[in-house]
Amino acid sequence: AQKVTQAQTEISVVEKEDVTLDCVYETRDTTYYLFWYKQPPSGELVFLIRRNSFDEQNEISGRYSWNFQKSTSSFNFTITASQVVDSAVYFCALSEALGSGGGADGLTFGKGTHLIIQP
Amino acid sequence: DTGVSQDPRHKITKRGQNVTFRCDPISEHNRLYWYRQTLGQGPEFLTYFQNEAQLEKSRLLSDRFSAERPKGSFSTLEIQRTEQGDSAMYLCASSSQGEGLSSYEQYFGPGTRLTVT
Repeated sequence: AQKVTQAQTEISVVEKEDVTLDCVYETRDTTYYLFWYKQPPSGELVFLIRRNSFDEQNEISGRYSWNFQKSTSSFNFTITASQVVDSAVYFCALSEALGSGGGADGLTFGKGTHLIIQP
Repeated sequence: DTGVSQDPRHKITKRGQNVTFRCDPISEHNRLYWYRQTLGQGPEFLTYFQNEAQLEKSRLLSDRFSAERPKGSFSTLEIQRTEQGDSAMYLCASSSQGEGLSSYEQYFGPGTRLTVT
């Protein structure tokens, strides 16, 4: 069975600090997909990134960067120079065998990390 | 391009009543998903459709829950004989299937918050 663990329940930092959100996953499949979503106080989940298991390149998008390491089954998310608007709950998610039609296409989410950026 | 929409946004019902929620996916998306999220937890997968076919159902989806997507466009989720434990946010998401860079990325609607009293 697949599982996603976000051990950090809540993180509080002061604006402009860098912060890393941890995500560890478990899966039996060799092909899988990892995601990060942001859920601001308004409640709507916002897609941030999708990463395929066969692509271990790290990715940077503005102040956001993601570090994917298959050897440790981790997919960590770093926000550089954090801003108050980054305050939200962040979810890491996993899906196996996307598009196969054989099931397991739904996302398995972690419990989320509540990030608080103080001004 | 409009996003995923859900209706209603809030629903309060008494235990034992039936409720129905609607989801309109992004127009070109052929896949539609339903999730449930309770306070302090991540969303939990319930079921998904590819076009009008329901391809997977989670064990969380009890016999009181039924979902349809009759024409492969909008979907409905019905809960019969609601229980207090059904109180949650019900989220809908949609995605496209194919080779494009955005394939399989699930985009979520604002959710329907159900309160069972």
